[in-house]
Amino acid sequence: EDQVTQSPEALRLQEGESSSLNCSYTVSGLRGLFWYRQDPGKGPEFLFTLYSAGEEKEKERLKATLTKKESFLHITAPKPEDSATYLCAVQPGQGAQKLVFGQGTRLTINP
Amino acid sequence: GAGVSQTPSNKVTEKGKYVELRCDPISGHTALYWYRQSLGQGPEFLIYFQGTGAADDSGLPNDRFFAVRPEGSVSTLKIQRTERGDSAVYLCASRMNSNTGELFFGEGSRLTVL
Repeated sequence: EDQVTQSPEALRLQEGESSSLNCSYTVSGLRGLFWYRQDPGKGPEFLFTLYSAGEEKEKERLKATLTKKESFLHITAPKPEDSATYLCAVQPGQGAQKLVFGQGTRLTINP
Repeated sequence: GAGVSQTPSNKVTEKGKYVELRCDPISGHTALYWYRQSLGQGPEFLIYFQGTGAADDSGLPNDRFFAVRPEGSVSTLKIQRTERGDSAVYLCASRMNSNTGELFFGEGSRLTVL
């Protein structure tokens, strides 16, 4: 069964304190791994797609990396506006067209 | 419109009533998805359409849930005989095609069953 596990469930950081969020996955083939940001009361907002192990993508203070078993979302010198829930999702190979989501990491950045 | 539009944004209903939730995807997107999200959880897949047909409805929890997309654009999620456990945010997403690329999500419809 395709499965995505994110850790930690919640993370509280001080402004400027860098850290990483983890997304571990078990999937029958991997067509893509997706990171989303979700603010309270809003729909998920797309951040990155990674397709193969070793791939990295960056956007402002965020960098996503991918291995064969997990992905990391690195946050460098975060600001309070980075506070949100970060969701990881995988699209399995073998003809599956849906995304399977993890439970998310709730990130809070204190000023 | 520029993004995925969902209506209503909030719906409060009584146990046993019938509910319809509407999704208007991004123009030109052939693939449309419905997800359900409970508090503190990630989105849970319900059903996806490629064009007018439901290509995968394996996530629908039971036969009280049904979805249609008659003209390959707007979709309606229908819930019969609602139960308190159906309370959640129902998210709709679309993408250009079903094979690859990111999903673009709407803001969701929050359903509360009293």
